[in-house]
Amino acid sequence: KQEVTQIPAALSVPEGENLVLNCSFTDSAIYNLQWFRQDPGKGLTSLLLIQSSQREQTSGRLNASLDKSSGRSTLYIAASQPGDSATYLCAVTDYNTDKLIFGTGTRLQVFP
Amino acid sequence: ETGVTQTPRHLVMGMTNKKSLKCEQHLGHNAMYWYKQSAKKPLELMFVYNFKEQTENNSVPSRFSPECPNSSHLFLHLHTLQPEDSALYLCASSLTSGGAGELFFGEGSRLTVL
Repeated sequence: KQEVTQIPAALSVPEGENLVLNCSFTDSAIYNLQWFRQDPGKGLTSLLLIQSSQREQTSGRLNASLDKSSGRSTLYIAASQPGDSATYLCAVTDYNTDKLIFGTGTRLQVFP
Repeated sequence: ETGVTQTPRHLVMGMTNKKSLKCEQHLGHNAMYWYKQSAKKPLELMFVYNFKEQTENNSVPSRFSPECPNSSHLFLHLHTLQPEDSALYLCASSLTSGGAGELFFGEGSRLTVL
């Protein structure tokens, strides 16, 4: 059964730091991996989608990598800003069940 | 403006009430989903519709009744709910339900059951 884990559960950093959020999954048979952002009480915003054949995707200050064989992905945020404060969720589309499996998220706070 | 719109954003209901959540997508997608998000738990998939047909019911209690009249609209009818059903209910859509599609979410409906 596919399981997705995100570490750390919470992170608090000063503005300007570069930071890395981690996501691991137990079964490498995936279609893709998505990173989402969720603000408190709001829906999910898709940040980056990496297909299983890809190694990384970039959007602005965000860079996500995928190492399918080791079951890992990282989300790199450069020059963090207070506006980056949110919960970041990782999810994989499991090849065997065709379902999107979510992690529990990393709650990020960037303080001025 | 989000491509996936959910109403109402907040709902408070008693255990004997009947209410409905509505989701509408303007993205031309053919698959729509209901997810439940409870505190400190991963998002739980509830239902999947592909081209108006239900393709997934993730062992959801019958007090939750989905309806998909067309590919752009999805409802979740609620009746005789329990306090533990209080959660954020998220609607999502994708081009199709299979494989590599990217999901787009609405803002969610926050449900409180008294």
